[in-house]
Amino acid sequence: SQKIEQNSEALNIQEGKTATLTCNYTNYSPAYLQWYRQDPGRGPVFLLLIRENEKEKRKERLKVTFDTTLKQSLFHITASQPADSATYLCALDRNGGSQGNLIFGKGTKLSVKP
Amino acid sequence: SQTIHQWPATLVQPVGSPLSLECTVEGTSNPNLYWYRQAAGRGLQLLFYSVGIGQISSEVPQNLSASRPQDRQFILSSKKLLLSDSGFYLCAWITRKGEAFFGQGTRLTVV
Repeated sequence: SQKIEQNSEALNIQEGKTATLTCNYTNYSPAYLQWYRQDPGRGPVFLLLIRENEKEKRKERLKVTFDTTLKQSLFHITASQPADSATYLCALDRNGGSQGNLIFGKGTKLSVKP
Repeated sequence: SQTIHQWPATLVQPVGSPLSLECTVEGTSNPNLYWYRQAAGRGLQLLFYSVGIGQISSEVPQNLSASRPQDRQFILSSKKLLLSDSGFYLCAWITRKGEAFFGQGTRLTVV
């Protein structure tokens, strides 16, 4: 069956450390994979999109990798800050890039302690 | 710039009452629009999507329906709410690049 899984429901780290979140998928061939941030009671906010032919993408303190062989994406936040505390969702287009039918993981709740 | 509006932010409705949630998009034409539901401890569940006026695709059988009366308007409805319809409902516009922009969400509590 098709699945998109974020292995950790919660991740607690110390301020200044690098947070690494994992997203795995099975039985999909996505053209791209995305990461979103969701704060309590709010809609998700788009962070980064990485395409199947890209190994790595960076945006400020964020870095995403995409391994289509392992069917896995890693999301890193370097020099983490308490303000980075939120739930992070990964998403992929289940139709291989057409129509934008995004399927989301359940999310990983990141807590950064000062 | 493009924006997406969704209302109301919170709603408490009795079992058996009707529902109408509205979503509108500004700054774009012919958007692909989506309704998701997020239940506690669960991921975002895709309910409906629409690629144009009058075109609705349903993802899961349920007590809800959707309509697209205008290009930039997407409505989620129910004739009779169930307790299990409680949740956080999100409207989204997904661009041709695949990026999703979400509304503020509606917290629906059916009592």
